[in-house]
Amino acid sequence: EPEVTQTPSHQVTQMGQEVILRCVPISNHLYFYWYRQILGQKVEFLVSFYNNEISEKSEIFDDQFSVERPDGSNFTLKIRSTKLEDSAMYFCASRQLASADTQYFGPGTRLTVL
Amino acid sequence: ELKVEQNPLFLSMQEGKNYTIYCNYSTTSDRLYWYRQDPGKSLESLFVLLSNGAVKQEGRLMASLDTKARLSTLHITAAVHDLSATYFCAVDMMLVGGADGLTFGKGTHLIIQP
Repeated sequence: EPEVTQTPSHQVTQMGQEVILRCVPISNHLYFYWYRQILGQKVEFLVSFYNNEISEKSEIFDDQFSVERPDGSNFTLKIRSTKLEDSAMYFCASRQLASADTQYFGPGTRLTVL
Repeated sequence: ELKVEQNPLFLSMQEGKNYTIYCNYSTTSDRLYWYRQDPGKSLESLFVLLSNGAVKQEGRLMASLDTKARLSTLHITAAVHDLSATYFCAVDMMLVGGADGLTFGKGTHLIIQP
């Protein structure tokens, strides 16, 4: 069964450093998302992406964040200058159709900012 | 701002018992999703509810949606230990364009004891 994959599974970085989290959505899906989950808390929406542009973003997704689909398969989340509070599990998700289908989540990348 | 509230947030129950988790949301939406998360793992899609009165069942779990009351329920019948997990409901923001992010509840941490 097709699945969303993410790399790395765990990333440790120093405060102020840039990180890029990578995702490969399911191949025939058209809508892509990033969410984060701080340890023990709920899942929070960051950004959605469709047709090679951002469709929607939350208040969390400030100028330090950016997303890109550099080729036909990868979908990346970049954090330019990490802060301690960026430490969280970051989930990528994809969906085939608009809203009538579920979002399929990847296994997540645990980001630890020291 | 869309708000999603789940209750209870924590539930400890015995095997064989029945229980219901409630999910209330604050805006009109007819798209509601239930996910399961095991500790340290990603989110697994359980149910997609797309219309008022929708009811779906899978094994010992049954989910329903009442869009007029803005309420979804996840009912557990004759609980077994394997159902121990955190259960999240999520509501589609239903914005124009279809690339809607999900707003999640805080999750219900369910422990089923022998």
